[in-house]
Amino acid sequence: RKEVEQDPGPFNVPEGATVAFNCTYSNSASQSFFWYRQDCRKEPKLLMSVYSSGNEDGRFTAQLNRASQYISLLIRDSKLSDSATYLCVKAAGNKLTFGGGTRVLVKP
Amino acid sequence: NAGVTQTPKFQVLKTGQSMTLQCAQDMNHNSMYWYRQDPGMGLRLIYYSASEGTTDKGEVPNGYNVSRLNKREFSLRLESAAPSQTSVYFCASPKVGANTGELFFGEGSRLTVL
Repeated sequence: RKEVEQDPGPFNVPEGATVAFNCTYSNSASQSFFWYRQDCRKEPKLLMSVYSSGNEDGRFTAQLNRASQYISLLIRDSKLSDSATYLCVKAAGNKLTFGGGTRVLVKP
Repeated sequence: NAGVTQTPKFQVLKTGQSMTLQCAQDMNHNSMYWYRQDPGMGLRLIYYSASEGTTDKGEVPNGYNVSRLNKREFSLRLESAAPSQTSVYFCASPKVGANTGELFFGEGSRLTVL
C-alpha cells in the first residue's frame, strides 16, 4: 500500500458548485499534512497546511482525521481557475511524501 | 528574485547517453531536493542535500548521482540514461526544514530517453 493515496479523478465540477475529495495515509506517527496545487505542466505550489482542528483559507477548507487516517480538501463556489491537480503531502521530519494527485476540472 | 532555477527545461536523450540537470536557488536555504514525477505516481524523492557538502539517497536513487557544489547549486547526473528515466524532474528547496511543508520548486525539466 502506498503511504499516501488519492483518487486520481477527474472530478468534473460545475462552476459555482462545491467539491470535496480525500487523501488517505499510512505510517501516521508525528506527521504534518499539506495540500499542494499543480497546474498542467507547471510546478507544484503550496496551497495550505492541514491542522487537526480543521482550517479555512477563503473558499478552501482542509480537515485532518487522524483516527481514520485521511485528510480532505473542500472547495466552495468553484471557479474555472480552480481547475488543477491537487496533491496531498505528508511531512515527517525532512521527508515529504506526495500522493499521486486528484485532478479537478471546473466547467462553465 | 528567481527562487529555484532549473536547466534545461527540455531534453531528449538516447539510451546510454549522459547528462546533468542543473539547479540553483537564491533563497539562501540549506536544503535542496531532486524529485521525479511520473503519471499517477506523485513526486518521488531521488536525492536530497540537507546542507552544503552533504547528500543522501531518497526513495528512487538508482541510476542517478548528485553534487552539492555549494549552498546555491545542486546538480543531478544521469550517467547512462535509460527509457525508465523518462520523467519530469523537479528541484526543490524547503523554506525552513521540510516539516514546514513549504517547498519551493523549480519549473521542472522534461526528459525523454529514447
